[in-house]
Amino acid sequence: NAGVTQTPKFRVLKTGQSMTLLCAQDMNHEYMYWYRQDPGMGLRLIHYSVGEGTTAKGEVPDGYNVSRLKKQNFLLGLESAAPSQTSVYFCASRQGGGLSEQFFGPGTRLTVL
Amino acid sequence: AQSVAQPEDQVNVAEGNPLTVKCTYSVSGNPYLFWYVQYPNRGLQFLLKYITGDNLVKGSYGFEAEFNKSQTSFHLKKPSALVSDSALYFCAVRDYAGNMLTFGGGTRLMVKP
Repeated sequence: NAGVTQTPKFRVLKTGQSMTLLCAQDMNHEYMYWYRQDPGMGLRLIHYSVGEGTTAKGEVPDGYNVSRLKKQNFLLGLESAAPSQTSVYFCASRQGGGLSEQFFGPGTRLTVL
Repeated sequence: AQSVAQPEDQVNVAEGNPLTVKCTYSVSGNPYLFWYVQYPNRGLQFLLKYITGDNLVKGSYGFEAEFNKSQTSFHLKKPSALVSDSALYFCAVRDYAGNMLTFGGGTRLMVKP
């Protein structure tokens, strides 16, 4: 049982390049989330999904897109990377229902030059 | 809008002494409160949660948290700190109707031998 995995672990992009971050979970969770973590700012929600085929905006969605074509996968895309998107990105998932806790992946460290 | 405040960027404590990491929250309706811990270069790990019932919640690794509705606080505590408890701690809140967690900015706990 791998839990939540993220690919890649590290990435360096040039301004204007695009990339996709992959999150996979093997716990059959309904809900999946993408966060970014910046020093002193805690975690901020980018987008989330409450089930296969659904997505919704979080607190800081601009510059990002997401897709949830399969229940176990949640993709985060950057179409034209900017230096302000340099951050550590975390994916999380949880069971459906109101009170379950989130399980987090190990993170992806992204640097945009 | 819901929010979480962790007023201390860093808490220093000697090994064997009790520790407290503070958290206050703001949310409409009943709060659902969580504590997570992050070790260096790792994702967040769930420690404990308050849903309803007893105001003192026990969690992993000997941690507990006290819910105080009148003070809108959910402070994390441990009777005897270990050096291995040194990490970044996050408090988070969600209202029952929402799908999103809101995190505080984090508090770095340093336990010295």
